[in-house]
Amino acid sequence: LAKTTQPISMDSYEGQEVNITCSHNNIATNDYITWYQQFPSQGPRFIIQGYKTKVTNEVASLFIPADRKSSTLSLSRVSLSDTAVYYCLVGDQGSARQLTFGSGTQLTVLP
Amino acid sequence: GAVVSQHPSWVICKSGTSVKIECRSLDFQATTMFWYRQFPKQSLMLMATSNEGSKATYEQGVEKDKFLINHASLTLSTLTVTSAHPEDSSFYICSARGRGRTDTQYFGPGTRLTVL
Repeated sequence: LAKTTQPISMDSYEGQEVNITCSHNNIATNDYITWYQQFPSQGPRFIIQGYKTKVTNEVASLFIPADRKSSTLSLSRVSLSDTAVYYCLVGDQGSARQLTFGSGTQLTVLP
Repeated sequence: GAVVSQHPSWVICKSGTSVKIECRSLDFQATTMFWYRQFPKQSLMLMATSNEGSKATYEQGVEKDKFLINHASLTLSTLTVTSAHPEDSSFYICSARGRGRTDTQYFGPGTRLTVL
């Protein structure tokens, strides 16, 4: 299972774009990159998943360079309600193994 | 997205009693379910992986006789904490994943267990 490294914490202001980068140097060919958001005392919520290049949905964008050794979650125009812990996970979704949770990034959005 | 429920959302029990937590995938069939434990201000720690109809696979350091997991159907898995003690107090979260190769894990809302 590929290990991931993320910043422990980030601060931003309302209305700004936030980019959280995750390093996963030993990502395998079959691995996908998945991001989750977790609020206190709640289960993680799926945000976005990708394999390469760029993926966009109604919540976020995910940028993955050609070597796939890192990925960047982009949240546009954040609000106070985006304050949460964000986890980057890498793994082969098709295998029976689970995705390993790293320490995550605590994003704090300030007014 | 897919919905996973957990019941109960919180439970308080006396030391020595057993507690059962249910995890259900409401709108998809989950071939694999996972159980995690999360202590305050820490990340999720995987406890075990269960596949429908087979025995659960426990992570190192997790006592299988204390944390009983049953995955009886494609939509239901249960975690029973036997003879619970205060150190078992934690936030327990399940997740479920479907059959497809790109199927994502979807998480339940979690169960707060407090052992007095």
